[in-house]
Amino acid sequence: ILNVEQSPQSLHVQEGDSTNFTCSFPSSNFYALHWYRWETAKSPEALFVMTLNGDEKKKGRISATLNTKEGYSYLYIKGSQPEDSATYLCALPSSNDYKLSFGAGTTVTVRA
Amino acid sequence: EADIYQTPRYLVIGTGKKITLECSQTMGHDKMYWYQQDPGMELHLIHYSYGVNSTEKGDLSSESTVSRIRTEHFPLTLESARPSHTSQYLCASSLGTRRQETQYFGPGTRLLVL
Repeated sequence: ILNVEQSPQSLHVQEGDSTNFTCSFPSSNFYALHWYRWETAKSPEALFVMTLNGDEKKKGRISATLNTKEGYSYLYIKGSQPEDSATYLCALPSSNDYKLSFGAGTTVTVRA
Repeated sequence: EADIYQTPRYLVIGTGKKITLECSQTMGHDKMYWYQQDPGMELHLIHYSYGVNSTEKGDLSSESTVSRIRTEHFPLTLESARPSHTSQYLCASSLGTRRQETQYFGPGTRLLVL
């Protein structure tokens, strides 16, 4: 099991503001990092898979960066909208298996 | 959108009852997983399967059991439910041989044992 930490646990954002939050992980034996978005009463949905140090991925107003040497990834939401309200999960596979270790998530609430 | 289904979505049941949580996927994925999540906590892997007739226990000890008789079906069974089993259970599946393959999730089953 990998130790995956996400911070903050929750945050409230005013509509239109931008925000970001962190996923920290052991930098040794890195293979890949997954970001998922989990809206209430729905299935967790894959956002990004990141594999290379310095990777930056973007999907609409959401983007993510990866620093494998220092063991962190940031997820950014630009111009937050109410539909961005969700829990954002970070997960990494173990060094020798397909199993994922998840962080506890960051719950984002966007206020209109 | 992923084609992975879980039933029931919500279940309230008394202590001592036997329950089966269903999970099916129509994507032909070889790998399937069961996770358990308590509020505010991480998803913890409790069972996984890399193919038919192959099942393994996950990182979190669980009193539940699973079976994988068909590729598309991965049910989870609790022989005698207890209040400590109250939790959310998520099923997922994936395909491929690379460890960066995405896992696709079902909507989950919220279980309350009284």
